[in-house]
Amino acid sequence: SQTIHQWPATLVQPVGSPLSLECTVEGTSNPNLYWYRQAAGRGLQLLFYSVGIGQISSEVPQNLSASRPQDRQFILSSKKLLLSDSGFYLCAWGGQGGIQYFGAGTRLSVL
Amino acid sequence: AQSVAQPEDQVNVAEGNPLTVKCTYSVSGNPYLFWYVQYPNRGLQFLLKYITGDNLVKGSYGFEAEFNKSQTSFHLKKPSALVSDSALYFCAVRDPGSNYQLIWGAGTKLIIKP
Repeated sequence: SQTIHQWPATLVQPVGSPLSLECTVEGTSNPNLYWYRQAAGRGLQLLFYSVGIGQISSEVPQNLSASRPQDRQFILSSKKLLLSDSGFYLCAWGGQGGIQYFGAGTRLSVL
Repeated sequence: AQSVAQPEDQVNVAEGNPLTVKCTYSVSGNPYLFWYVQYPNRGLQFLLKYITGDNLVKGSYGFEAEFNKSQTSFHLKKPSALVSDSALYFCAVRDPGSNYQLIWGAGTKLIIKP
């Protein structure tokens, strides 16, 4: 069966520090991969999606970037974090019929 | 423009009573519709989907949803609510312009009181 791993679960970083969040998927090949941000426990904002290795589409211009160095690995990065980058970050992979399956999320606090 | 609306920010239901969480959509073509649930500090979990066929779709944890094409709605229902159903619920529709993206509702907080 397919599983998705996302880490760390929580992260506290100072303003101006770099960021690297990692997401890996097991049990499927060539999945569509997504990074979302959720502010204040509410709506989801799609940040990036990827349909293959090295193929990244950005939905919202911002302080973040994404990379997909391997088929089942998706990384969210920043060179210098801002206070406004705080939030709950969710990775997901796309399955049949458009269903997306989510990781457990990373709570990022930028102080 | 394609959109999904969840008109209720919060729904309060007594345990044992039926519950409904509302969702309406606006997309071109035939919609692919989804419901997800999110417990505090967790990722979203897929509950159910409608693609085609029977308008009443059954999903996980005893939930079901009714697709109504004329009203462009896809309301989530459960005959008897449990306290453990308390969570944040999201409705989503597949973006017809993309095979990869979902258009998400803003979420509805469901509170089940004992």
